[in-house]
Amino acid sequence: GAVVSQHPSRVICKSGTSVKIECRSLDFQATTMFWYRQFPKQSLMLMATSNEGSKATYEQGVEKDKFLINHASLTLSTLTVTSAHPEDSSFYICSAEGASYNEQFFGPGTRLTVL
Amino acid sequence: DAKTTQPNSMESNEEEPVHLPCNHSTISGTDYIHWYRQLPSQGPEYVIHGLTSNVNNRMASLAIAEDRKSSTLILHRATLRDAAVYYCILRDNSESGGYQKVTFGTGTKLQVIP
Repeated sequence: GAVVSQHPSRVICKSGTSVKIECRSLDFQATTMFWYRQFPKQSLMLMATSNEGSKATYEQGVEKDKFLINHASLTLSTLTVTSAHPEDSSFYICSAEGASYNEQFFGPGTRLTVL
Repeated sequence: DAKTTQPNSMESNEEEPVHLPCNHSTISGTDYIHWYRQLPSQGPEYVIHGLTSNVNNRMASLAIAEDRKSSTLILHRATLRDAAVYYCILRDNSESGGYQKVTFGTGTKLQVIP
């Protein structure tokens, strides 16, 4: 199966700083990437969908100016949490979909802790 | 909103078969049934998917009801490594050139007892 990586796997930052999370498709070209957030003991919540070279589509209630998404190439998407606060602490997961696949492949997730 | 309904939790003894049910009464004709599982502190992992016929792969089997309003994921011999949250998801794979958002429900937390 296709492989998706995320970096970093874990990050701790101070309140007010910005954090960038990378999502890469390692062995296929991802036409679409998705970003999810998961709070403890809850299910995954879709935050936004990004297509290579175009602006991301955000789900209702997700602040686009706070969660900046860049999908600059067919193998890389980044999520930047700007001016992070403790309530942004969560498990962030990306997934990627290629033109030849009928399923999404998920990354291992990034644990963000904002102090 | 999630379009599937699953029990919150289930238990199984190690090395015994496990049947994880999923109801999807509003499924459309072009919806595929996908199953993913999520181990603690990891991203979801693809398990299996199907449309109408039962499907088998090295991980599991998928039994789909004739009316497609329900399905069952079958793990033939549960191991401790199968302890995870299992998500049943509907996805319309018929669209060409576009993407399909996936909505996760609460899933079923499977506990495997040694």
